Formats: sequence, structure tokens, C-alpha cells
Amino acid sequence: SQTIHQWPATLVQPVGSPLSLECTVEGTSNPNLYWYRQAAGRGLQLLFYSVGIGQISSEVPQNLSASRPQDRQFILSSKKLLLSDSSFYLCAWSARKGVLAQYFGPGTRLLVL
Amino acid sequence: GENVEQHPSTLSVQEGDSAVIKCTYSDSASNYFPWYKQELGKRPQLIIDIRSNVGEKKDQRIAVTLNKTAKHFSLHITETQPEDSAVYFCAARWAKLVFGQGTRLTINP
Repeated sequence: SQTIHQWPATLVQPVGSPLSLECTVEGTSNPNLYWYRQAAGRGLQLLFYSVGIGQISSEVPQNLSASRPQDRQFILSSKKLLLSDSSFYLCAWSARKGVLAQYFGPGTRLLVL
Repeated sequence: GENVEQHPSTLSVQEGDSAVIKCTYSDSASNYFPWYKQELGKRPQLIIDIRSNVGEKKDQRIAVTLNKTAKHFSLHITETQPEDSAVYFCAARWAKLVFGQGTRLTINP
């Protein structure tokens, strides 16, 4: 069966520091991968999605970037964190073909101080 | 553009009663409609989904109905229990999933 991992689970970072969040998927190949952000008590904001290695689509312009160095690895980065980057970050995957369902990882809770 | 509207934003029902959450979507080209349940501090979990070639789907106490002509779909929870309290998100898929704004459901004992 398929499993999606995210780490770290929680992170406290100072303003201006860099960020790297990692997401990996097991048990499937060629997945579509997604990064979402969710502010406290709010909805799901799609940040990036990827249909293959090195293929990244950005939904919202901001100081974040994403990379997909391997088929089942998706990384969310920032060179300089802002206070407003504090949020719950969720990775998700779906199959490239066939089953349409999308599944979320456990998330990373980021607090920027 | 592709858009999903979800109502109500908050819903409070007595334990044992039914709850209904409704969503409308903008473009009839969508062919897949999932529902997610998100408990406090946890990830959204897929609880039920329906494809555009089906009008209704049921799984124990939860059911989803789809009206393609009117471009709306609904989540029905019967015999509600305290553990049903959560935020529920509907979504529609075009090239990717577009989510509704969420409904905070509270079940009062």
C-alpha cells in the first residue's frame, strides 16, 4: 500500500532563516505531488504541484520554492522565512493515471518567530 | 474559472440528527468530487468520493449525492455522533483538485 511521509513534524525557525521541508511517497511510482499551506482555522491553499521530476508548477507567487529531485521526493524551500510563513504545510499525492483520489501527508507545523 | 463554493461555513447539530453540507462547482467539465474530514491538528482524510457518472454513493452513515445539471453535490451524515465533529472540505477535480472553503461541524451531545 501507499504511504506518504513528511518531516519534520514541527519546526520553529527565526525570521530570515532558510527552510527545507521534505515529503516522500512509498508504494507507488510516477505520482503527482502537491504542497499545500493551511493557516490556523482556514482552508487549503495549493502552493505547488508536480507531474514529474524537475516539473514544478507554482500556484501562488511568494518567497517559497519547490523541487522534485527524485520521482517520489518533493521538497519545499525558502531562502528567508517571513513571520507570515507560519502555517501548517501539507504534502499530498495522487496517481498519474487511473484512480483520481488524492491523499495527504501528516503535515509539518511551522512557527516563524 | 474553476471554483467550488461550500455552505454552510459552520453547522451545529444534536447528536443523532442528520447533517448536510452542500457544494456547488463552476465548470461542468469536472468529473470527480471527493470529501475530506479534518480533525483538529490532523491531516485531511478522504472519507468518500463520487465520479460524475454516478448520482449517489453511500458508505455506512455517510452518503454523497451529485446533481450534474445543477452542478452541485452534497454530503449527508446520518445518526451523527460526537466523533463526527470536524472540519469537512468538498472538492472538485479539473486538472487538479479545487477545494471548498470548509464547514466546521459540531455535534452537540
